[in-house]
Amino acid sequence: TQLLEQSPQFLSIQEGENLTVYCNSSSVFSSLQWYRQEPGEGPVLLVTVVTGGEVKKLKRLTFQFGDARKDSSLHITAAQPGDTGLYLCAGASEGTTDSWGKLQFGAGTQVVVTP
Amino acid sequence: DTEVTQTPKHLVMGMTNKKSLKCEQHMGHRAMYWYKQKAKKPPELMFVYSYEKLSINESVPSRFSPECPNSSLLNLHLHALQPEDSALYLCASSQEMGRAYGYTFGSGTRLTVV
Repeated sequence: TQLLEQSPQFLSIQEGENLTVYCNSSSVFSSLQWYRQEPGEGPVLLVTVVTGGEVKKLKRLTFQFGDARKDSSLHITAAQPGDTGLYLCAGASEGTTDSWGKLQFGAGTQVVVTP
Repeated sequence: DTEVTQTPKHLVMGMTNKKSLKCEQHMGHRAMYWYKQKAKKPPELMFVYSYEKLSINESVPSRFSPECPNSSLLNLHLHALQPEDSALYLCASSQEMGRAYGYTFGSGTRLTVV
């Protein structure tokens, strides 16, 4: 089972500050996804990255997939209270028979942005 | 329609009860999933259906029984559950299984076993 490690586990910042969340693994992933989950709701897909070195921007959010496709980061610029939530990375592994079709989730980073 | 709809939103059941969770999507997705999520933990995969056939069972106890009556519906039948089965049960779908497609999750069913 491939393990996705997220850091930090918890992040509390003031509105307007920047933050970065990391997702690391010793395994290669064919794709990596980022989700945000709010209490009592299901995760909502933010982005999917598939190419090593890929950078995607979604308004104030920047996602990067490592060159070796083993790690990813999420950077939020000028955070707002609405960015508060649990951020989950999830990877689709490079394909042993046993892991094909399974999306592995990291443990998540709880982000709190205070006004 | 870009949603996955789960019913009920909340369910309280006794250990001898039989109940079912329902999940519906009309996006034409051919892969559907059941996940279990405990508080402050990530979702854990339970079952994967691909083209209405069970493709993955993550060694889930037989008191959980999935069913996929058609390409839009996914059920999870519950029988003789234990209090430790209390959790948020999430349904998700994607265009295909085993591809780099993002998952669309429902809002979940909050299950409490008493």
